[in-house]
Amino acid sequence: EVQLVESGGGLVQPGGSLRLSCAVSGFTFSGYWMHWVRQAPGKGLVWVSRINSDGSSTNYADSVKGRFTISRDNAKNTLYLQMNSLRVEDTAVYYCAGDISNNYGLDVWGQGTTVTVSS
Amino acid sequence: DIQMTQSPSSLSASVGDRVTITCRASHSISSYLNWFQQKPGKAPKLLIYSASSLQSGVPSRFSGSGSGADFTLTISSLQPEDFATYYCQQSYSTPYTFGQGTKLEIK
Repeated sequence: EVQLVESGGGLVQPGGSLRLSCAVSGFTFSGYWMHWVRQAPGKGLVWVSRINSDGSSTNYADSVKGRFTISRDNAKNTLYLQMNSLRVEDTAVYYCAGDISNNYGLDVWGQGTTVTVSS
Repeated sequence: DIQMTQSPSSLSASVGDRVTITCRASHSISSYLNWFQQKPGKAPKLLIYSASSLQSGVPSRFSGSGSGADFTLTISSLQPEDFATYYCQQSYSTPYTFGQGTKLEIK
């Protein structure tokens, strides 16, 4: 069974940092692109970042570029999102997702972890 | 960045109705268009990829069409479990932008 389990969310003050993790099982993690998508309370989905299978290529939304870093540890089957200089507008549920069918669709998702940025 | 515009933003319909949601891209995205369904408090679920390919396990009442910049998601006969929010997303170029969503409600 494919499982993606996010962790690391919580309450942080503006300007602070958090690292999200996404532990994966049930498929060959090292073979696929992985993504982070977020959703602010009551709002729509926003794509945040992606990383290729070996971690050598990354892309970011303009809103997080220079503040967030996506990475992966294929030996640990884990995806990460390091979030620095957090802003109130980064408050959201953060989902990890993968394209394991290689069809450019995000076909596997975690349950999400909540990040709240507030003083 | 490619902007994705969905219409309508909300829709009321009855069980058994045929429903169509449209999605327009600000630039041509070929067929790199996905549709997702999201229910409250849950992660999104992929319904359609590459504009018209049905994801495994998704009922055949869902279908997608279009290419270039204009796309549609059609539900042929609404079932009670279909009342949810639907999003399109382009995977042609990063950032992989989503539409703003269409909330499908029971009439």
